[in-house]
Amino acid sequence: EPEVTQTPSHQVTQMGQEVILRCVPISNHLYFYWYRQILGQKVEFLVSFYNNEISEKSEIFDDQFSVERPDGSNFTLKIRSTKLEDSAMYFCAGGAGTNTGELFFGEGSRLTVL
Amino acid sequence: LAKTTQPISMDSYEGQEVNITCSHNNIATNDYITWYQQFPSQGPRFIIQGYKTKVTNEVASLFIPADRKSSTLSLPRVSLSDTAVYYCLPVQGNTGKLIFGQGTTLQVKP
Repeated sequence: EPEVTQTPSHQVTQMGQEVILRCVPISNHLYFYWYRQILGQKVEFLVSFYNNEISEKSEIFDDQFSVERPDGSNFTLKIRSTKLEDSAMYFCAGGAGTNTGELFFGEGSRLTVL
Repeated sequence: LAKTTQPISMDSYEGQEVNITCSHNNIATNDYITWYQQFPSQGPRFIIQGYKTKVTNEVASLFIPADRKSSTLSLPRVSLSDTAVYYCLPVQGNTGKLIFGQGTTLQVKP
């Protein structure tokens, strides 16, 4: 079964450093998402991406965050200057269309900001 | 966006059928209902989706009454490995965006 691959599985960084989280979605998917989950809390929507542009973003997704899909395969989330409160599990997800709730999630990248 | 309410936790025993009910009183006409499962430190996994009546797949059944104000996920003969958090999510028909709530933590005991 095809799967969504995320790297790194765990990253530890110092506050203020830039972090890039990478995702390889399933090849025929057209809609891409980033979610995050702070330990013990619910899964939160960050951003959706379609046709090489952001289609929707949440209040969490401020100017410190950016996404891109530079080569048509990798889908990246960049946090420009990390804060302690960015520590969370970040999940990439993809889907084939919007008329379905079936998204395929990766296993996540755990970010720890010290 | 439809607000959902589901029990915070449920306990069951191996081999039993588990039914988790979710209420979504203000669901929009073009919203689907999906259910996801999440194990600790893993990404959510799609279980099943429906719009009305009953849907069944190899994992679960989903019952949605005619008024669509609630839905019930039915897991037949649960095992220890079904211990997880289960989320009920209305899906906006035109965005595909999922908004997760707190979910129901199901604990299956031997």
